[in-house]
Amino acid sequence: IAGITQAPTSQILAAGRRMTLRCTQDMRHNAMYWYRQDLGLGLRLIHYSNTAGTTGKGEVPDGYSVSRANTDDFPLTLASAVPSQTSVYFCASSDQTGELFFGEGSRLTVL
Amino acid sequence: AQKITQTQPGMFVQEKEAVTLDCTYDTSDQSYGLFWYKQPSSGEMIFLIYQGSYDEQNATEGRYSLNFQKARKSANLVISASQLGDSAMYFCAMRENSGGSNYKLTFGKGTLLTVNP
Repeated sequence: IAGITQAPTSQILAAGRRMTLRCTQDMRHNAMYWYRQDLGLGLRLIHYSNTAGTTGKGEVPDGYSVSRANTDDFPLTLASAVPSQTSVYFCASSDQTGELFFGEGSRLTVL
Repeated sequence: AQKITQTQPGMFVQEKEAVTLDCTYDTSDQSYGLFWYKQPSSGEMIFLIYQGSYDEQNATEGRYSLNFQKARKSANLVISASQLGDSAMYFCAMRENSGGSNYKLTFGKGTLLTVNP
């Protein structure tokens, strides 16, 4: 069972470029999330989706967009990357208890 | 105000001893859940333990237990008989009852635990 698959695992990106981080789950969870992890700040919620077709803003949504066309996929797009978006990005899904199941993370460096 | 506060940026413990990692939370909800996750140096997030706000007993999972003090709004993680493999970053997180299937978790900033041989 793969669980949550993220791609790419690592990427270096020039500022101003567009980037999409992919996330796919095979657990049929309704809810999915994108978090960013920065040293000293823990994990902060960027966007979430309670079910296919709906999305919502988290704590730090600016500069990011998401879509949820189906249950399994939840891509995160940076329309025009900036250096402050250098971070490790985690995709997650949750079951009814709220326990999050995480992907392995995508390390993004914006130069 | 922070919803989850972990006051210990770093902790050290001797192998085989017990250690407590502190977590306090802030919520006005009556129904909520508290989680602890472990993040080793390899980077993956590993679920450790869960405590529901209505659970009367403290949660336990093997060597992990959660010292839940509802009146004090604290949910400390206790690791008994520490092992070298316990060296990692530990995150406390809270799910508030926002209704429906909204299960957003808010995380603390983490505590880096180092187990010394």
